[in-house]
Amino acid sequence: QKEVEQDPGPLSVPEGAIVSLNCTYSNSAFQYFMWYRQYSRKGPELLMYTYSSGNKEDGRFTAQVDKSSKYISLFIRDSQPSDSATYLCATSSNTGKLIFGQGTTLQVKP
Amino acid sequence: GAGVSQSPSNKVTEKGKDVELRCDPISGHTALYWYRQSLGQGLEFLIYFQGNSAPDKSGLPSDRFSAERTGGSVSTLTIQRTQQEDSAVYLCASSLDMKAERYFGPGTRLTVT
Repeated sequence: QKEVEQDPGPLSVPEGAIVSLNCTYSNSAFQYFMWYRQYSRKGPELLMYTYSSGNKEDGRFTAQVDKSSKYISLFIRDSQPSDSATYLCATSSNTGKLIFGQGTTLQVKP
Repeated sequence: GAGVSQSPSNKVTEKGKDVELRCDPISGHTALYWYRQSLGQGLEFLIYFQGNSAPDKSGLPSDRFSAERTGGSVSTLTIQRTQQEDSAVYLCASSLDMKAERYFGPGTRLTVT
C-alpha cells in the first residue's frame, strides 16, 4: 500500500464547475499537508500549505485536512480553463521527506 | 527573486554513461531536495540535505545514484552507468528549512537510449 493514495483521473469538468480533488494517507505521523499544481513540462508549483487538521482558503482554492480519517481535499470554485493541470497532494511528518500522491489530471473545458 | 534553477533542461545519454545534473537553490534556503518523476507518475523522493547535517539518502534507488551539496548551496546529482529505467524528469526543490514550503525547479528531463 502506498503511503499516499490519489486517483489519477483524468477528471474533466465544464468551466465554472466546483472541482473536488482528494487524497488519503496511511501514516498518522503526517502533519504537514500541501497541494501542488503542475503544468505540462513544468516543475510543481505550491498552491496550498496547511498544518494539522482544518480548512484553509485562498481565493478560489480551499484545502481541507481531516486527520481522524486521514483524508485531504482541495476544492476549486468557479473553475477556469487555466486550472487545467495535474494536481499533486503531498504530506510529511517532522522529517524533510515529502511524500507525494500520484497526481490527478484535471481538464476544465470552456 | 530568482527561483530554483536546474541544468541542463534536457539530457540524452547512452546506456552505461555517467551523467551529472545540477541544481541551484534559492539563496538562503538551507534545505535542498531531489525527486524523480517518471511518465504519468507522482514524485519519488531521492535525497535531501538540511544545513550541515548528514543527508537523508533513503530514497536513492541504487548505489549508482549519489548526490552532493557544496558549500551549502549548489547540488549535483550523479547517476553512474545509466540504465534505460533511469529515464525520467529529475526535480530539485529548496526550502528555508525542512518544515517550510518547498519550491521546485523546472526539472531536468533525462533520456537514456
